[in-house]
Amino acid sequence: DIQLTQSPSTLSASLRDRVTITCRASQSINDWLAWYQQKPGKAPKLLIYKASTLQSGVSSRFSGSGSGTEFTLTISSLQPDDFATYYCQQYNNFFRAFGQGTKLEIK
Amino acid sequence: EVQLVQSGAEVKKPGESLNLSCKVSGYVFSSRWIGWVRQTPEKRLEWLGIIWPGDSDTRYSPSFEGQVTISADESIDTAYLQWSSLKASDSAMYYCARYDSRGYGFEYWGRGTLVTVSS
Repeated sequence: DIQLTQSPSTLSASLRDRVTITCRASQSINDWLAWYQQKPGKAPKLLIYKASTLQSGVSSRFSGSGSGTEFTLTISSLQPDDFATYYCQQYNNFFRAFGQGTKLEIK
Repeated sequence: EVQLVQSGAEVKKPGESLNLSCKVSGYVFSSRWIGWVRQTPEKRLEWLGIIWPGDSDTRYSPSFEGQVTISADESIDTAYLQWSSLKASDSAMYYCARYDSRGYGFEYWGRGTLVTVSS
């Protein structure tokens, strides 16, 4: 099974900071990776798919990159609404593992 | 507008059975994969499995195959997640969610159903 490891687990940042979250796969998944944002008490929200394609309606402050085994989610100029938990998910096969999550906190 | 409406919170005892439902609207039920995701108390997301309602083709996570059953009823646009014998470790929030047209990600989600299993 493909395992996804996110780093860091927790990230403290300030408004208007630029932050990067990393997701590493245990084997190559090409660019079959999605990123989700989850706020407390809410379902996850799809932000990015195919490693770098922004889902419709998602702010352009979010960007994704990577292929193979290493991927990043970057948020430029953090806004109050961005403080949440972020998860990556692979879809290299029918079984779709998630990363363990990265909690983005206000410093 | 696409909507996924999940059944309400459940409190059960170990060994009991349970059936969660997810009624969809706003799209053709048989035309998209729909699946179930578990969120543990530690906030980990776990992919349980998916079903294609058009022909009931079902795929399970190896970790959950044999532990749960995913089904769908096209006549009422509803997907189900079922247990025959619950364990305390099944306590979690369960989401149903629908893939986008290419299967890249879960584009639409229900609000979740909290399941508590305790003696």
